[in-house]
Amino acid sequence: SQTIHQWPATLVQPVGSPLSLECTVEGTSNPNLYWYRQAAGRGLQLLFYSVGIGQISSEVPQNLSASRPQDRQFILSSKKLLLSDSGFYLCAWRMQGVYEQYFGPGTRLTVT
Amino acid sequence: GQNIDQPTEMTATEGAIVQINCTYQTSGFNGLFWYQQHAGEAPTFLSYNVLDGLEEKGRFSSFLSRSKGYSYLLLKELQMKDSASYLCAVRRSSASKIIFGSGTRLSIRP
Repeated sequence: SQTIHQWPATLVQPVGSPLSLECTVEGTSNPNLYWYRQAAGRGLQLLFYSVGIGQISSEVPQNLSASRPQDRQFILSSKKLLLSDSGFYLCAWRMQGVYEQYFGPGTRLTVT
Repeated sequence: GQNIDQPTEMTATEGAIVQINCTYQTSGFNGLFWYQQHAGEAPTFLSYNVLDGLEEKGRFSSFLSRSKGYSYLLLKELQMKDSASYLCAVRRSSASKIIFGSGTRLSIRP
């Protein structure tokens, strides 16, 4: 069976510090991978998605970036965090050709 | 572009029925999803509609009208554990991505 992992679960970082959030998927190959952000009490905002290694599509211009160094690994990064980067970051995966999308447990980021 | 609208909040009574509506405007529509999200947790998949009509799955049903750009999620025999946010999301045929609405926060009272 497939599982998706995200870490860390919670993170408190000062403004201006770097960020690296990691997501890995097990039990499948060549998945579509997604990064979403959810501000408190709000809906999910799609940040990046990837259909293959090294292929990243950016949805919203911002100070975040994403990379997919391996087939089942998706990384969200920032060189300098802003207060507005606080939120709940969710990684998701979907098998190509299948409609259902599965979410990881999320990382709650607080920028202080 | 695309636009997804759903009510921000709803309240219902335990044991009753509630209908959560979602309207959307998008080009190249290729399916509509409903997800449930409890506070502080990740969303979990509830339903997927790509053809017009009603899909029933236990206490939950989802309806889609493509010509009207309209869907609803129907929850029957409400339980306290159904208190959560319900997210409507749309998939476009030309993209590999799913776009979510802002969600409807449903509160169940005894």
